[in-house]
Amino acid sequence: GQSLEQPSEVTAVEGAIVQINCTYQTSGFYGLSWYQQHDGGAPTFLSYNALDGLEETGRFSSFLSRSDSYGYLLLQELQMKDSASYFCAVRDQAAGNKLTFGGGTRVLVKP
Amino acid sequence: GAGVSQSPRYKVTKRGQDVTLRCDPISSHATLYWYQQALGQGPEFLTYFNYEAQPDKSGLPSDRFSAERPEGSISTLTIQRTEQRDSAMYRCASSLAPGTDEQFFGPGTRLTVL
Repeated sequence: GQSLEQPSEVTAVEGAIVQINCTYQTSGFYGLSWYQQHDGGAPTFLSYNALDGLEETGRFSSFLSRSDSYGYLLLQELQMKDSASYFCAVRDQAAGNKLTFGGGTRVLVKP
Repeated sequence: GAGVSQSPRYKVTKRGQDVTLRCDPISSHATLYWYQQALGQGPEFLTYFNYEAQPDKSGLPSDRFSAERPEGSISTLTIQRTEQRDSAMYRCASSLAPGTDEQFFGPGTRLTVL
């Protein structure tokens, strides 16, 4: 099966940088995704890494190290609207198109 | 449509009743997923469809749960003889094709079983 670990909560101030780590165990890793979910809202896609390295999309970047079974989401220049839960999710080749999500990291941005 | 829609948004039912939840995916999307999400947790995979085919239903908790997508578009998730532990948010998502990175999630149906 698959399992993912990420911190449950992170608090930071506006303008700061936050890194959310995700470690995973899976039998046939295909890629790591990140989703954002505001309270009462639906998860929305942020990024996907299939290969090692850093992917940058505006203020958000995502990193993957396949050899370490590890990835992170980097949130830069934090804004109040970034307060949300962030989920890492793995696609496992052995499990077809199934996405397995982590428990989520709640990010609280303070003024 | 412009996005994934689900109905009803809220459903309250009594234990033992059957419920059917509906998902209308983005019109061009071949793949449709059902997830169950408990409060404060990540979505948990239930099943998915490629058009009308259902290659994986390994996440369905019991045989009381079933899903259909008969014409490869709208899908329904049916829970028979509901139990209190079935209370959760049920989310539908769609993607352009099998294995496409991005899944688009619907607003969910909040099911409460009394």
